[in-house]
Amino acid sequence: GESVGLHLPTLSVQEGDNSIINCAYSNSASDYFIWYKQESGKGPQFIIDIRSNMDKRQGQRVTVLLNKTVKHLSLQIAATQPGDSAVYFCAESPGGTSYGKLTFGQGTILTVHP
Amino acid sequence: NAGVTQTPKFQVLKTGQSMTLQCAQDMNHNSMYWYRQDPGMGLRLIYYSASEGTTDKGEVPNGYNVSRLNKREFSLRLESAAPSQTSVYFCASRPRQGVKDQPQHFGDGTRLSIL
Repeated sequence: GESVGLHLPTLSVQEGDNSIINCAYSNSASDYFIWYKQESGKGPQFIIDIRSNMDKRQGQRVTVLLNKTVKHLSLQIAATQPGDSAVYFCAESPGGTSYGKLTFGQGTILTVHP
Repeated sequence: NAGVTQTPKFQVLKTGQSMTLQCAQDMNHNSMYWYRQDPGMGLRLIYYSASEGTTDKGEVPNGYNVSRLNKREFSLRLESAAPSQTSVYFCASRPRQGVKDQPQHFGDGTRLSIL
């Protein structure tokens, strides 16, 4: 799994730039992955998901890329806006009868400067 | 449509006190989950309920108990609170049992401080 601690990775970008947030996952048996956005004082909000039989999925202004060979997931945000400032978490779910249990990464703080 | 509602939003307890955190969802979801989030960390699963009438331990169950009261409600109880249980607690729900690829929907959390 990812290392844990008090110092989250941070990414600072200018408004209008593209952002890329990375995540390394630990379980090679995981077959479903989700990106969540968490704003201060709020619960995680679903952004986009991807299944292990895909390597790319696009939503509105967001794209998730999955590289199972190196167990890496990334979230690309196009034309980043100040409202995108938040903590972003990746989460993985193992295959089999997991009942949807998720394992979360530690998160990345995205700050968008106007 | 409120989604997942957690009460209370904030609570301060003394060591040794007991407390029940409430969670209700109005989306007719089968599965429900309790997580804790500590500073600078991702969410860790405490307990979950795959469907009404069942509960199972997650990654960090010690010191907690849960009750799936009905399909809508899933409560988390601290019998004897300890300072190490100071955290933000999140409840989540998910549509259907046995269907893997569906995201969980989260409430806005209960911020719990234990002195």
